[in-house]
Amino acid sequence: GQNIDQPTEMTATEGAIVQINCTYQTSGFNGLFWYQQHAGEAPTFLSYNVLDGLEEKGRFSSFLSRSKGYSYLLLKELQMKDSASYLCAPQAAGNKLTFGGGTRVLVKP
Amino acid sequence: DTGVSQDPRHKITKRGQNVTFRCDPISEHNRLYWYRQTLGQGPEFLTYFQNEAQLEKSRLLSDRFSAERPKGSFSTLEIQRTEQGDSAMYLCASSSREAPNEQFFGPGTRLTVL
Repeated sequence: GQNIDQPTEMTATEGAIVQINCTYQTSGFNGLFWYQQHAGEAPTFLSYNVLDGLEEKGRFSSFLSRSKGYSYLLLKELQMKDSASYLCAPQAAGNKLTFGGGTRVLVKP
Repeated sequence: DTGVSQDPRHKITKRGQNVTFRCDPISEHNRLYWYRQTLGQGPEFLTYFQNEAQLEKSRLLSDRFSAERPKGSFSTLEIQRTEQGDSAMYLCASSSREAPNEQFFGPGTRLTVL
């Protein structure tokens, strides 16, 4: 089975930085995904980490430590449109994704 | 370039009725996944296909649920004798041979069982 833990909600100011942590326990691990989901919409792909370390993609970066079962998503220069839920999803064998409950990020002006 | 499409987008039904949803994956994507999402939760895996073969089913998928992908392209998810607890967003995703790990999600079908 898989246990995934991420904060339920975070609030930050426009232009600031927010770090969303995710810890997971999984039997079989291929990699870890982060998805963004706006209310009422489908999840959209943000990042995929297989190896330990930091992957940077524009304003978004994702970090993985396989030995610690830990990942974080870093959102820089926050914009109002970044208000959404961010889903941590470790991937088991067979490409099946197991999603955490998501972290709702609220960006305030 | 069209993404994953799902039909219908919304479905309201009475308890006990059968419903069927359709998913059209991105063209030539060989893998197709079904997830269910309830309010405030992340999506839960239901089942997935590689081409026409159904390779894995979640224990969440009771006998009332059945999914098919007869020609390895579109897929259908049928729920028989719907219950109020089936009310959720049903999401479909697909991925390609070249990038099997990257799943692209459709807009979902929101089911409300009265």
